[in-house]
Amino acid sequence: QKEVEQNSGPLSVPEGAIASLNCTYSDRVSQSFFWYRQYSGKSPELIMSIYSNGDKEDGRFTAQLNKASQYVSLLIRDSQPSDSATYLCASDVGSSASKIIFGSGTRLSIRP
Amino acid sequence: EAGVTQFPSHSVIEKGQTVTLRCDPISGHDNLYWYRRVMGKEIKFLLHFVKESKQDESGMPNNRFLAERTGGTYSTLKVQPAELEDSGVYFCASSQVGTSYEQYFGPGTRLTVT
Repeated sequence: QKEVEQNSGPLSVPEGAIASLNCTYSDRVSQSFFWYRQYSGKSPELIMSIYSNGDKEDGRFTAQLNKASQYVSLLIRDSQPSDSATYLCASDVGSSASKIIFGSGTRLSIRP
Repeated sequence: EAGVTQFPSHSVIEKGQTVTLRCDPISGHDNLYWYRRVMGKEIKFLLHFVKESKQDESGMPNNRFLAERTGGTYSTLKVQPAELEDSGVYFCASSQVGTSYEQYFGPGTRLTVT
């Protein structure tokens, strides 16, 4: 069964530090990977997508992909209290044109 | 630009009753998806429409669930009859053709079956 695995946390990081969120996936055919942020009681919000090995930066966020290790990560620089949320890692399912599968999420808490 | 909207935001029904959830995708998005998150579990794919056609319904749990998207605009998801295990948050998402994986989610409908 194809899976996306995340540590559920909570991950506590001091304000201003770098938060590092990790994810592994089981389907070697997967090509597309996503990070969603979900505040409590709200909908998932797409914050990063990555398709190639290496790093992709967008503002304070950097997504990293290593297909050989089947590993995806999200770094948040200069963490702010507003970054406190659950972060969902997701990937495509290689056998499907559009289905994505989600990990269970990592709860991040930024302490002032 | 308006985002994905869902109605109702919360529904409480008794086992055996029928409930219909509605989703309005972002204007111009031909792809529409339904997902569900049950308590303590990850978000799970239910099905995918391209315009009015069902592209993939492999995640639909059983035949008590019926999704429609007449006219290729809004979509409905009907649960009939509802069971206790159907409780959860039902999310709708949409995306443009060509960027089908970059999906934008609605606020969800929290369904409670008692």
